[in-house]
Amino acid sequence: AQSVTQLDSQVPVFEEAPVELRCNYSSSVSVYLFWYVQYPNQGLQLLLKYLSGSTLVKGINGFEAEFNKSQTSFHLRKPSVHISDTAEYFCAVSDRGSQGNLIFGKGTKLSVKP
Amino acid sequence: DGGITQSPKYLFRKEGQNVTLSCEQNLNHDAMYWYRQDPGQGLRLIYYSQIVNDFQKGDIAEGYSVSREKKESFPLTVTSAQKNPTAFYLCASRPTGGVSPLHFGNGTRLTVT
Repeated sequence: AQSVTQLDSQVPVFEEAPVELRCNYSSSVSVYLFWYVQYPNQGLQLLLKYLSGSTLVKGINGFEAEFNKSQTSFHLRKPSVHISDTAEYFCAVSDRGSQGNLIFGKGTKLSVKP
Repeated sequence: DGGITQSPKYLFRKEGQNVTLSCEQNLNHDAMYWYRQDPGQGLRLIYYSQIVNDFQKGDIAEGYSVSREKKESFPLTVTSAQKNPTAFYLCASRPTGGVSPLHFGNGTRLTVT
């Protein structure tokens, strides 16, 4: 069975600092990987996805993530955060035979302080 | 603009009452999903439907029911059998075939007292 672990439930950071949100997954088959962002009282928006090809994936709002198959990780990074990046971030995995059903991590709350 | 509409945004019910949450999409997507979100627990799949008149249970289907009579609509009923119904409920959709990301509605926050 697949699972997703987001290693930090909360990440506080100062504005303009770099940030990394960590995500590890477990699966015995090839997977697709996603990062979503959720602002308060809203639905989730797709930040980026890895399906195949280059292991470095660029997304919206300056975020990027790197797929590391040997470490089963898909960490999300941004070199310089803004106050507006304050939100909850979810990592999700789908295996290639699951009809596209996603397994979500428990989320990481990013809090950007001035 | 195409999207997913969930209504109402906030819903209050007394314990023991059934309540139905609405989800409508105009994206022409075949697949629709219902997730439950609780603080610190991420999203958990309740039910999903790949096609009209067909749906499958997700990981936490007990106490919930759904219908899929139209492609655009996937209502969720929270029954009195659901032990802890207070939560944030999210509806999502995607095209079938390939791996398309999920599109989410803005959610309904249900409070049962």
